[in-house]
Amino acid sequence: NAGVTQTPKFQVLKTGQSMTLQCAQDMNHEYMSWYRQDPGMGLRLIHYSVGAGITDQGEVPNGYNVSRSTTEDFPLRLLSAAPSQTSVYFCASSYGVGRQTQYFGPGTRLLVL
Amino acid sequence: TQLLEQSPQFLSIQEGENLTVYCNSSSVFSSLQWYRQEPGEGPVLLVTVVTGGEVKKLKRLTFQFGDARKDSSLHITAAQPGDTGLYLCAGSFGGATNKLIFGTGTLLAVQP
Repeated sequence: NAGVTQTPKFQVLKTGQSMTLQCAQDMNHEYMSWYRQDPGMGLRLIHYSVGAGITDQGEVPNGYNVSRSTTEDFPLRLLSAAPSQTSVYFCASSYGVGRQTQYFGPGTRLLVL
Repeated sequence: TQLLEQSPQFLSIQEGENLTVYCNSSSVFSSLQWYRQEPGEGPVLLVTVVTGGEVKKLKRLTFQFGDARKDSSLHITAAQPGDTGLYLCAGSFGGATNKLIFGTGTLLAVQP
């Protein structure tokens, strides 16, 4: 059972470049989310999805797009990377929120020059 | 603006000492979770509390949810080097709001 997988593990981008961070889960979870983690800021919610075809914004959605075409996959797109997007990105999945356990991937470390 | 503030931000103690980490908000949560994160990995759930005043124990860790469901605390008794890590609280508003909001985090270092 792979759980939540994220690719790539590391990425360096130049300002203005675009890229997609991949996230997949094999637990048939309806709820998936993307967070970014910066020093002293904890985890901040970027976007989340409560099921295939349904997405919504979190606390810091600007500069990021998401889509949910299948239950398993929830990619995060950076349309035009900026140095302020240098961070560690975590994808998580669960059966829901509140009392449900969030299962996190190993993270993607992104550096934007 | 962070909805959940944790204190202290950083804590370095000796093995065997006790410590308490606080998670505070002006918002009322339907439930609150505590996660622990080790370097290079994603957070892992420790506990979920759902009732105001609820106390849960996990070996040497004691978690409490405030009576008004706006705050929570994590107390560790006789800390060990294996307790080292980043501790994160996370609150959910429940109902139609499906967001899980994380706190700012407390980095704990337990020296042998």
